Amino acid sequence: DADVTQTPRNRITKTGKRIMLECSQTKGHDRMYWYRQDPGLGLRLIYYSFDVKDINKGEISDGYSVSRQAQAKFSLSLESAIPNQTALYFCATSDFGGKKSYNEQFFGPGTRLTVL
Amino acid sequence: GQSLEQPSEVTAVEGAIVQINCTYQTSGFYGLSWYQQHDGGAPTFLSYNALDGLEETGRFSSFLSRSDSYGYLLLQELQMKDSASYFCAVEDNYQLIWGAGTKLIIKP
Repeated sequence: DADVTQTPRNRITKTGKRIMLECSQTKGHDRMYWYRQDPGLGLRLIYYSFDVKDINKGEISDGYSVSRQAQAKFSLSLESAIPNQTALYFCATSDFGGKKSYNEQFFGPGTRLTVL
Repeated sequence: GQSLEQPSEVTAVEGAIVQINCTYQTSGFYGLSWYQQHDGGAPTFLSYNALDGLEETGRFSSFLSRSDSYGYLLLQELQMKDSASYFCAVEDNYQLIWGAGTKLIIKP
């Protein structure tokens, strides 16, 4: 069974549409992250959350919002999608600050989003 | 600014040894991690160095020199399944700062 799941796995949408990407985890980790990956650019942090009441902007948060509904669920929303948000989106979790002394991150399978 | 530099692509022969270098310039530094990502897959953790020196995990080893802001990942006895992208990432307090990745191409 997957520890970190993402839905949907693929999504094609049109410019201006609102879209939500969902992430769930069964690892019991408090820390959750949303990244986007573009070819040749590595991973860039969009938002991160250390617990349900602690949500923070990352490097590229403009145009995105998040919701931490529970320890296990962290959703990413694009309020009005634009073509340059076409990318591969990953959710990740970490037990850093809990049982782990370093920030080892566990990734979901990713969502490939295309905005036309 | 914050930056990590690693080669975009490295080619090696099956059974050989390959080294992937990473230099970093970041405002904070707690440690250097390495992740592997196969095409179409998610990044998976390989190793972590907080202190200077070599860490060995099976066929993979990772090295760190904090004074030189430099680290490398060493892959030995290369297998075709090692064909993937490899990312270095600096642990900076609350987040990981990622390099752009090195695509490792392995030839038979």
